[in-house]
Amino acid sequence: DGGITQSPKYLFRKEGQNVTLSCEQNLNHDAMYWYRQDPGQGLRLIYYSQIVNDFQKGDIAEGYSVSREKKESFPLTVTSAQKNPTAFYLCASSTASSTGGTRELFFGEGSRLTVL
Amino acid sequence: QQPVQSPQAVILREGEDAVINCSSSKALYSVHWYRQKHGEAPVFLMILLKGGEQKGHEKISASFNEKKQQSSLYLTASQLSYSGTYFCGTASGNTPLVFGKGTRLSVIA
Repeated sequence: DGGITQSPKYLFRKEGQNVTLSCEQNLNHDAMYWYRQDPGQGLRLIYYSQIVNDFQKGDIAEGYSVSREKKESFPLTVTSAQKNPTAFYLCASSTASSTGGTRELFFGEGSRLTVL
Repeated sequence: QQPVQSPQAVILREGEDAVINCSSSKALYSVHWYRQKHGEAPVFLMILLKGGEQKGHEKISASFNEKKQQSSLYLTASQLSYSGTYFCGTASGNTPLVFGKGTRLSVIA
C-alpha cells in the first residue's frame, strides 16, 4: 500500500540534544512538507521541498533543518537551537501542481516529540 | 497569513447540521478542508479551486466565495463519526497551504 511513514512515533529528548525525525513516502510525490502542530494552533509550516535537492523555509523554520537527497525521503532535524521543540510533527506529501495552488496533502501518522 | 476559522468549537446532536467558516485576508487560489481525529493524521475532505469545480463527500459539502475570500464547510445530518477537528487550508498561488487553527466538532448521541 502506498503511503507516508513517519518514525519514531514517540520520542523523548533531553535539552541540548539534536533529534532527527524520519519521513518516507512511496507515493512518487514530488513535493514534501513538514508541519508542526501545537494545541489550539493548527498546523504551521516548517519546511517544504518541491523537488530533490531543493527546499524552502516555511513560517517557523528557525531551529530546524532538512535535507532532500532522495525523492522519497525528507528527514527533519530538530536542533538544540529550537527553543520550544515539544510538539506533534506531521510530514505530508503531494503531487506537484503546475497550475498554481496545491494538490491534496497526504499526511503521515505523526511523531510526538517531548523534551525533558 | 493564517486563515480565521469560526466557530472554534461546536457540539451537535446526531442528525443536526453544522457550518464551519474559513476566511482569509489574502486573495485565494484554493481552499482545502481536512478532518483530524484525536492523535491521528489529518485526512483530506475536499478542495475548492478558484473558478473550478467543487468536490466533496455525500453529506459534507463546501462553498467558496472568491470575492469575499471565504469558504464554508457544510455538515448535514451529522453522525458520531463526524467528530474531530476540522481545518481549512488556503493557498494564494503556487505556495504551500496555510492552515487555520481548527474547529473542534463534537457529535453526541
